[in-house]
Amino acid sequence: DAKTTQPPSMDCAEGRAANLPCNHSTISGNEYVYWYRQIHSQGPQYIIHGLKNNETNEMASLIITEDRKSSTLILPHATLRDTAVYYCIVRATDSWGKLQFGAGTQVVVTP
Amino acid sequence: NAGVMQNPRHLVRRRGQEARLRCSPMKGHSHVYWYRQLPEEGLKFMVYLQKENIIDESGMPKERFSAEFPKEGPSILRIQQVVRGDSAAYFCASSLSAEGYEVFGPGTRLTVL
Repeated sequence: DAKTTQPPSMDCAEGRAANLPCNHSTISGNEYVYWYRQIHSQGPQYIIHGLKNNETNEMASLIITEDRKSSTLILPHATLRDTAVYYCIVRATDSWGKLQFGAGTQVVVTP
Repeated sequence: NAGVMQNPRHLVRRRGQEARLRCSPMKGHSHVYWYRQLPEEGLKFMVYLQKENIIDESGMPKERFSAEFPKEGPSILRIQQVVRGDSAAYFCASSLSAEGYEVFGPGTRLTVL
C-alpha cells in the first residue's frame, strides 16, 4: 500500500545536479518524508528527511512543497558512485521503526 | 566507529536446517530492525526490537521465524526448517532512538539449497 509515487528510472550526467521527484499526495500532518538509497546489493543508506521545511546536509537537499504533497531530492553534483535505487518514504511519528519501501527510482549516473 | 555489523555475510543451508543471522547494532544504539529483500523484490519490514523487547513484529511470518535482542550480545534472527522461499538478503538496521533514522548493515545473503 504505497504512500509515495516515484518514477521507475532516470538518468543523470556526471557532475550535473540530479533532481528526484516524489509524490505523496495523501501525506498527513504528522508524517515525515525520508529518503534512502540502495547501491547494488548493499544495505540501504539514509540520505535525509524532513517534515515541512527544506533540509540540506552534506549529501543532498530536500525540497518539500508548501502543501507537502510532493518533494524533490537534489543531489547537487552527481558522481558515478551515486548510481543507486532511491527510495522516498513517508513515515508517521506513531510508526517509528517501520520503513515501508516502495519500488524507488533507479538512478543511473553516466560519464 | 564501526557501523552495523552482520554475520555471516553469506549463509548456505539445506532445506529443513536452521539459519541464525546475527546483528550487532552501532555502539550506543538500542533499537534494532530486521528487513528482508527477496530476489528482484523490494525491502520488507519484518520486526522491530528494543533491548529484550519485541516492539513490532507485524512483518514476521507467523511460523518458523523468530527474533530476539538480548540484554547482552547481538540481535538474532532465527529461521527454523528453512525452505527455498526463504532465500533472500536479510538486512539489519539500528537507531539511537525510536525517532532517529536507521543505519543499515551490509546484509546476510541466505541461500537455501
